[in-house]
Formats: sequence, C-alpha cells, structure tokens
Amino acid sequence: NAGVMQNPRHLVRRRGQEARLRCSPMKGHSHVYWYRQLPEEGLKFMVYLQKENIIDESGMPKERFSAEFPKEGPSILRIQQVVRGDSAAYFCASSPFGLGGNEQFFGPGTRLTVL
Amino acid sequence: GESVGLHLPTLSVQEGDNSIINCAYSNSASDYFIWYKQESGKGPQFIIDIRSNMDKRQGQRVTVLLNKTVKHLSLQIAATQPGDSAVYFCAESSGSARQLTFGSGTQLTVLP
Repeated sequence: NAGVMQNPRHLVRRRGQEARLRCSPMKGHSHVYWYRQLPEEGLKFMVYLQKENIIDESGMPKERFSAEFPKEGPSILRIQQVVRGDSAAYFCASSPFGLGGNEQFFGPGTRLTVL
Repeated sequence: GESVGLHLPTLSVQEGDNSIINCAYSNSASDYFIWYKQESGKGPQFIIDIRSNMDKRQGQRVTVLLNKTVKHLSLQIAATQPGDSAVYFCAESSGSARQLTFGSGTQLTVLP
C-alpha cells in the first residue's frame, strides 16, 4: 500500500508566479489535510478537505491560497502570485477518518522556494 | 490562543540510554494526542498515539504517558539508537476538529 505521495518534492518560483502542489492520499483515504512548516518550526494546519468539499480552511490565508480535492485525481494546493514569505515546506496528510480515528499519515512534503 | 509547546528544544542522550521528551498542551478539550518523528528532509512519521481516556500506552520501544491534570504528555524511548536521532513533535486534536495542532519540536541527538 503506497503511502501519501506529493509532487513535486522541490519547487522554485519567482515572485509573482503561481505554485501548484499535488497530493495523492493513501489508498482508501478520502480525507486530506495540508500543513505548512517553516524552518525549525512545527507544522501549521492550513486546510482540511474531503472529496469535492472543503471542510475547514481556517488555517489558510484568505488571499492567493486555494485548495481542492476533486472527485478524480490528487488534491491541489494552489498559491497565486507567490511572495518570499511563502517559502516553506508544505505537507499533505491523509486519514482514514471514519474507519478508526484521527491518525494522519504524512507525505514527504514539497519544499517551495520563492526567489 | 490554544497552543501545544515543548519544554526543551534539544536533547542529547547516549546510545543505549532511555530518552524522555516532554510536551505541554493548553487546550483542556484536547482528546487525542500523537507523537511524530521527523528526519531531515522528510515528512513526519507516526510513532504512537493516545486518547484522553488513557494515561499510558506502549509500543515497540516507545511509551506515551498522558497526565490530563497538568496537561502534560511525554514520549519515552527505550534503549535509544542512532536511528532515533530526529526532531520529535507532539500534536493534539479535540472534538470534531480534525486538524492537528503541533508543538514546536525537540531535536533528539543520540551520541555514540
């Protein structure tokens, strides 16, 4: 059973460009979470999605950031008009919520660098 | 606001010794706690979890202790090995909220 997959692993963008981060949850998991991690800090929750629904986006900036989890395909975290402060590691986690509890399994992350 | 924090940012132990990593939380409604291990350049790896109706849970070489009275969580690693060197995070969630709130992490270094 493959784990959570994220791509790209590393992404470099110039200020003003768009960044698209992809996450494929573990097989059988229909709940996806996105977190952001700044250097030497803990992970900060951004958004929680189920298939075709945003359940909680309280941790996501209101502007420039959006997320989706379509019926088919991976979850996408989109950052428009990136700024240097967006440079961070972005982690996706998936959960079999409803099948056992709150366990969240993390992907390897996408490291975004904004030049 | 509510937060999860760690007492010490770094911990160095001799190989073979036991390690104890501590975590304090402030949300009295927290009912689920997880410890993650994160190696450099990788995503957090699940170690062990515990629910608020328990005060102790054991895994392979690891034990998590929960003291709800003082809102304190600890991770004990027995016979620490070089491969245990990593940053360890505690995280919690509460009620219907499904997102995890993470602490800032403790860097564990195992000395030969």
